[in-house]
Amino acid sequence: GAGVSQSPSNKVTEKGKDVELRCDPISGHTALYWYRQSLGQGLEFLIYFQGNSAPDKSGLPSDRFSAERTGGSVSTLTIQRTQQEDSAVYLCASSLYPSGTQYFGPGTRLLVL
Amino acid sequence: GQQVMQIPQYQHVQEGEDFTTYCNSSTTLSNIQWYKQRPGGHPVFLIQLVKSGEVKKQKRLTFQFGEAKKNSSLHITATQTTDVGTYFCAGIQGAQKLVFGQGTRLTINP
Repeated sequence: GAGVSQSPSNKVTEKGKDVELRCDPISGHTALYWYRQSLGQGLEFLIYFQGNSAPDKSGLPSDRFSAERTGGSVSTLTIQRTQQEDSAVYLCASSLYPSGTQYFGPGTRLLVL
Repeated sequence: GQQVMQIPQYQHVQEGEDFTTYCNSSTTLSNIQWYKQRPGGHPVFLIQLVKSGEVKKQKRLTFQFGEAKKNSSLHITATQTTDVGTYFCAGIQGAQKLVFGQGTRLTINP
């Protein structure tokens, strides 16, 4: 079956612009995670959605970052007024339940000039 | 909150040498998962350990879960160039979110 998909695969933007990153999780997966990974670094947790519960936003680095998950499926991560330090790969992962195997998407590589 | 620490951060070995990465949690874990991320790729699930003291093997890879369910290790015997990548452990406490360690980046000299 289809895995986790993310779009766009690459995004180049100018400092100060807003960007939206999309994640399509595996159908039926209740848990959805967003991570940020800078070059050669580990996975930085950003936000976690589980079912209809309020999202865990504890990893969002600033109020310029926000995310939503519509209808328990597709999720959008929005970064407002992008800064150069926002440049990274943004990974989305979904799992059938919170403790289940996470399936990662290919990521969106964001470059802020 | 729950933290998962992983060491070493980097490891460089000669092809054929063994490799081990260690994962430690500040709290008891319900389970621990291991992932591998190849250079330029995304993390891919390797295995999940659930039981105290559990040991699982996948060919040259041996995974262990500690008796107290607070630590885990991944050991690779006789590394090959295909083993290059970053290995992440991830643990979960109860019904909380999965928490990843910082990863161990393995490089191999052929």
